Amino acid sequence: DGGITQSPKYLFRKEGQNVTLSCEQNLNHDAMYWYRQDPGQGLRLIYYSQIVNDFQKGDIAEGYSVSREKKESFPLTVTSAQKNPTAFYLCASSPTSGGPVYNEQFFGPGTRLTVL
Amino acid sequence: AQSVSQHNHHVILSEAASLELGCNYSYGGTVNLFWYVQYPGQHLQLLLKYFSGDPLVKGIKGFEAEFIKSKFSFNLRKPSVQWSDTAEYFCAVNGGGFKTIFGAGTRLFVKA
Repeated sequence: DGGITQSPKYLFRKEGQNVTLSCEQNLNHDAMYWYRQDPGQGLRLIYYSQIVNDFQKGDIAEGYSVSREKKESFPLTVTSAQKNPTAFYLCASSPTSGGPVYNEQFFGPGTRLTVL
Repeated sequence: AQSVSQHNHHVILSEAASLELGCNYSYGGTVNLFWYVQYPGQHLQLLLKYFSGDPLVKGIKGFEAEFIKSKFSFNLRKPSVQWSDTAEYFCAVNGGGFKTIFGAGTRLFVKA
């Protein structure tokens, strides 16, 4: 079964703590993405990675960090510097060969983070 | 800067009613256009996409969308909705790179 897994599904954190969200894919996609979804605001891009050991900031990268040490994995760390971290976080991946088809993204089930 | 505007945040329809969800984008170059859907409790998934060619594209579950370049629009339509179409719908635009811009979403509720 090919797809994207995110864990955990729900995560609670105390203010001032860093927390890492997991994202794994077995679709053999080169590109991976992290989005934040807030009610009424759609999906906003946090970070993306085109290839292993490379990643770029998205529109709202402040207070977040990522790594891409393996093709299959793209973990997101929400740091204590993120002012309003309570949100739904979505991970996605896409192929990078074959023309415009690489723009189509495949999404994981998401992680809902709540800061207490 | 690229942007995507979805006209309605919430839509309530009765079964068998026709659906049209508006989407306008702001981008000067060639675009790839998408509609994604998020059913309750499920992953966000692709509904349909436009890259080139026929501006009327058909997707899954009887949905279609029309790309009107002069109006910078990509509206989603379905002639007759079902209760199972209750979901949140997102329009998205990509200008050819790795960055896709999503609209704020439209929540559709279909009354049985």
